[in-house]
Amino acid sequence: AQTVTQSQPEMSVQEAETVTLSCTYDTSESDYYLFWYKQPPSRQMILVIRQEAYKQQNATENRFSVNFQKAAKSFSLKISDSQLGDAAMYFCAYRSGSAGNKLTFGGGTRVLVKP
Amino acid sequence: GAGVSQSPSNKVTEKGKDVELRCDPISGHTALYWYRQSLGQGLEFLIYFQGNSAPDKSGLPSDRFSAERTGGSVSTLTIQRTQQEDSAVYLCASSLYGPSQTSTDTQYFGPGTRLTVL
Repeated sequence: AQTVTQSQPEMSVQEAETVTLSCTYDTSESDYYLFWYKQPPSRQMILVIRQEAYKQQNATENRFSVNFQKAAKSFSLKISDSQLGDAAMYFCAYRSGSAGNKLTFGGGTRVLVKP
Repeated sequence: GAGVSQSPSNKVTEKGKDVELRCDPISGHTALYWYRQSLGQGLEFLIYFQGNSAPDKSGLPSDRFSAERTGGSVSTLTIQRTQQEDSAVYLCASSLYGPSQTSTDTQYFGPGTRLTVL
């Protein structure tokens, strides 16, 4: 079974600075997808960014970018120019490319943004 | 609707009672998922519906849990004889396609139902 690990329970960042969240995963598959979801206090999970394992290029979405290291099974998220609205729980998630469509989540990292 | 909706937003029940949680997916989405978010277990998959195919029930924790999806749209998650360990936030998600088109398949989540079992 696949597992996803987020080793940082909480990260704090100054507004306008950069923070990096770590995520590692364990799988024997070669075809899979990785995601970062944001969960604000409203509870609604919002997709931040996704990465297909077959793509070597790291995904970027505005101020959010990932560092995907397939051999190391690492998928970190970088938030640049942090804003107060970025404060939330962030979850890393894995989905198999061949064995169903369910997401396997990490334990989450709480991001605090200091003004 | 514009997004996935869930009702009720919060539910408090007594141990031993049955509860029903409802999910309205995004119109046109063929796939629907239920997840549970609890302090002890984190976020875990419960069940997945795709079109008219048999649901993937591999994540249901016990036979007290069941779900159905009527008419390929609305879904109801039922928990019978609730226990205190069932207290959690139950999240529903939907996606446009199923595993046959995974490259374009993003799951969109609802706001969840917080269930408290006293």
